[in-house]
Amino acid sequence: DVKVTQSSRYLVKRTGEKVFLECVQDMDHENMFWYRQDPGLGLRLIYFSYDVKMKEKGDIPEGYSVSREKKERFSLILESASTNQTSMYLCASSSGQGIDTQYFGPGTRLTVL
Amino acid sequence: AQKITQTQPGMFVQEKEAVTLDCTYDTSDPSYGLFWYKQPSSGEMIFLIYQGSYDQQNATEGRYSLNFQKARKSANLVISASQLGDSAMYFCAMREGVTVNDKIIFGKGTRLHILP
Repeated sequence: DVKVTQSSRYLVKRTGEKVFLECVQDMDHENMFWYRQDPGLGLRLIYFSYDVKMKEKGDIPEGYSVSREKKERFSLILESASTNQTSMYLCASSSGQGIDTQYFGPGTRLTVL
Repeated sequence: AQKITQTQPGMFVQEKEAVTLDCTYDTSDPSYGLFWYKQPSSGEMIFLIYQGSYDQQNATEGRYSLNFQKARKSANLVISASQLGDSAMYFCAMREGVTVNDKIIFGKGTRLHILP
């Protein structure tokens, strides 16, 4: 089974703090993704990566950055957290082959006070 | 314009009844793929079923089937003999194009409640 893990299920931070959300997959997948999920808005893509050290902006990259130093790990960084970044963050990975289903982690619910 | 439209924000269904969750999509690309995911209250998104635009038959996976009506741009999820454990949020999603690295676009979801 594909396993995607995220470093925290729940996280509470203060405005202005630097926040790191970590995601690790164990299936040697090429592709990794970060989404945020908000009620009534569905999932929105923040950043994605098709290879190590490679990143591409998704639909809502403002206020976020990412890092992919190793194939299995994709980090989402909030340089200076703001209250409007309070959300559920979902990480996903995919093989880049076949129907290329995305497999998701359990999510991190981030609250910025 | 929305690429994926799920018109039912919430549904209540009696246990053991069949359920149809609606999804319409918008694309001019002849090659695309359609996905359905389930998100229980635990938060993890679970892949359920996939339909390719060139697939001749409707996809089925156990109790899940996809009612694919290409001309109407509709890809409804059908759950037969619903169970209490089917209570969850359901998302329809689409990938446009032939490159597997194309992005997936998600709908806003339908929350399904199965009543005992």
